[in-house]
Amino acid sequence: AQSVTQPDIHITVSEGASLELRCNYSYGATPYLFWYVQSPGQGLQLLLKYFSGDTLVQGIKGFEAEFKRSQSSFNLRKPSVHWSDAAEYFCAVGLDSGAGSYQLTFGKGTKLSVIP
Amino acid sequence: KAGVTQTPRYLIKTRGQQVTLSCSPISGHRSVSWYQQTPGQGLQFLFEYFSETQRNKGNFPGRFSGRQFSNSRSEMNVSTLELGDSALYLCASSPRRGGETQYFGPGTRLLVL
Repeated sequence: AQSVTQPDIHITVSEGASLELRCNYSYGATPYLFWYVQSPGQGLQLLLKYFSGDTLVQGIKGFEAEFKRSQSSFNLRKPSVHWSDAAEYFCAVGLDSGAGSYQLTFGKGTKLSVIP
Repeated sequence: KAGVTQTPRYLIKTRGQQVTLSCSPISGHRSVSWYQQTPGQGLQFLFEYFSETQRNKGNFPGRFSGRQFSNSRSEMNVSTLELGDSALYLCASSPRRGGETQYFGPGTRLLVL
């Protein structure tokens, strides 16, 4: 069965430190890949997406992600974390469920805490 | 452009009741999808609507239903509420059927007592 795995449930970093959030997927082909961020009590905000082409994609708020086909991974990175980055981050895969209908399958999320 | 809007933002119901949640997509977007978010199960796909037709449905019981209107606004209904239906219900819109990028609303927080 297809799945999306975010191995880290909770990560704590110091402000100014670098960040990498891991995401692995299990699908037969290369799906569409997304990272979303959710602040407490809020909806999901799209950070970045990968459809094809350059495997390093830039997103909003200084985030980037790298697609590695050989590892079935799509890890999210930020060189210097700000306190406002504290939130929950979700990796998602866009799956064609047939007849042109898409649905997103999400990982369980990684909660990021930032120490001032 | 205004984003996806959902009403109401918060709702408290009791077991056995039914509830209707509303979603207005981004102007020009024709596809609306619904997701349920709970601490235990995470984010799960409920269904997708396009051109007033349900195109895809997740693994949820028949108590969960929805519809889409000609202006692309969508509603979802949950009948005979159970305690386990307490969740954040998120609506997402995309420009077209099978639109790869989905934009989410703020959600409706449903509490079932």
